[in-house]
Amino acid sequence: SQQGEEDPQALSIQEGENATMNCSYKTSINNLQWYRQNSGRGLVHLILIRSNEREKHSGRLRVTLDTSKKSSSLLITASRAADTASYFCATDTGNQFYFGTGTSLTVIP
Amino acid sequence: NAGVTQTPKFQVLKTGQSMTLQCAQDMNHNSMYWYRQDPGMGLRLIYYSASEGTTDKGEVPNGYNVSRLNKREFSLRLESAAPSQTSVYFCASKAQPGTSSSYNEQFFGPGTRLTVL
Repeated sequence: SQQGEEDPQALSIQEGENATMNCSYKTSINNLQWYRQNSGRGLVHLILIRSNEREKHSGRLRVTLDTSKKSSSLLITASRAADTASYFCATDTGNQFYFGTGTSLTVIP
Repeated sequence: NAGVTQTPKFQVLKTGQSMTLQCAQDMNHNSMYWYRQDPGMGLRLIYYSASEGTTDKGEVPNGYNVSRLNKREFSLRLESAAPSQTSVYFCASKAQPGTSSSYNEQFFGPGTRLTVL
């Protein structure tokens, strides 16, 4: 399988804390993307980082990419209850996307 | 704009029955995808269509067929459903490179929850 792995599988934090989730992948990539999925819904794109970038910010999101280790991390700062969802990394190889297994984040008010 | 729409939302089949899942997008995207999502497995690509008139196998194509009917529509057919095909199916679309600032981003439909008994 080309799927990536995400770590941790589940994460529970208090509102206001930061949440960090990690993604490891297997293939060479054009870019890596993070998606969010609320329960029972489709995935929504959050942020993209290109293979020649090391860090990217968007609002409360910070993404890092280490192509030598084939890994990425997503940091959500100052979490809110509304951030409760599953988060998936996806590697874009040009034609296909390979999704990780996801991290289930619960933010406790 | 409705984005990506999928029908039906829910379906229960008996083993051996056939059905077609429908997907349409109104964003003038070139590429369309079908995924299945199983617990603990993330999303796995079944088939994709890089442009109208072309289709290619993804990671898990066995037991499925697809049709890119036109630029808007991409259907997924199960000819003889099996319990192993019980899953949530997502359709997604993506713009052509150079046509949009968000051309690398996939847009997802709400999903079809399929149970095969």
